[in-house]
Amino acid sequence: SQQGEEDPQALSIQEGENATMNCSYKTSINNLQWYRQNSGRGLVHLILIRSNEREKHSGRLRVTLDTSKKSSSLLITASRAADTASYFCAGQAGTALIFGKGTTLSVSS
Amino acid sequence: GAVVSQHPSRVICKSGTSVKIECRSLDFQATTMFWYRQFPKKSLMLMATSNEGSKATYEQGVEKDKFLINHASLTLSTLTVTSAHPEDSSFYICSAITGGLNTEAFFGQGTRLTVV
Repeated sequence: SQQGEEDPQALSIQEGENATMNCSYKTSINNLQWYRQNSGRGLVHLILIRSNEREKHSGRLRVTLDTSKKSSSLLITASRAADTASYFCAGQAGTALIFGKGTTLSVSS
Repeated sequence: GAVVSQHPSRVICKSGTSVKIECRSLDFQATTMFWYRQFPKKSLMLMATSNEGSKATYEQGVEKDKFLINHASLTLSTLTVTSAHPEDSSFYICSAITGGLNTEAFFGQGTRLTVV
């Protein structure tokens, strides 16, 4: 089963612009994580935000979590062509990660 | 960060044969490993959770006799796709965690399985 729904499913922007991806989830979670996947490759962990946190930063990444709305957002600032990838949110309740559908981000130079 | 090695990265097999995929944690002991399946342009679907020395827990709809999981040690889990059919063609990814709650997962590079 899938935990989250990402919005938008696809996003195309120019280098230097900001990219915002949203994720909604269905069940209670201990934390929400964001991962990145380049085409045909494994996943790379980006950031983890716990259920008692509201906002977290890591470099050009900013993640928010609203447990009352069961939603999260990932903001990538000053995007680069190398940010082109698919981005997934994943809720962790227990040990397993349940993934959302993902957002495909294309950054053109 | 921790490294998870998945092998092979690509495999082509004939219908009716079995294929084994290995997932190894190289520099840490994985208390739990997970197997996911990903269809083209889709998200990851959790297939099963395995703990070292115990039987895997399969998600609803996943055939345990079709997808055999063995977690023989704290650094190795294997997924065997038995009697493979073309519909089993997919991208299979493993992941491992070192602890319980609030820990990031480390992913293998994935295995592209094509059944002809």
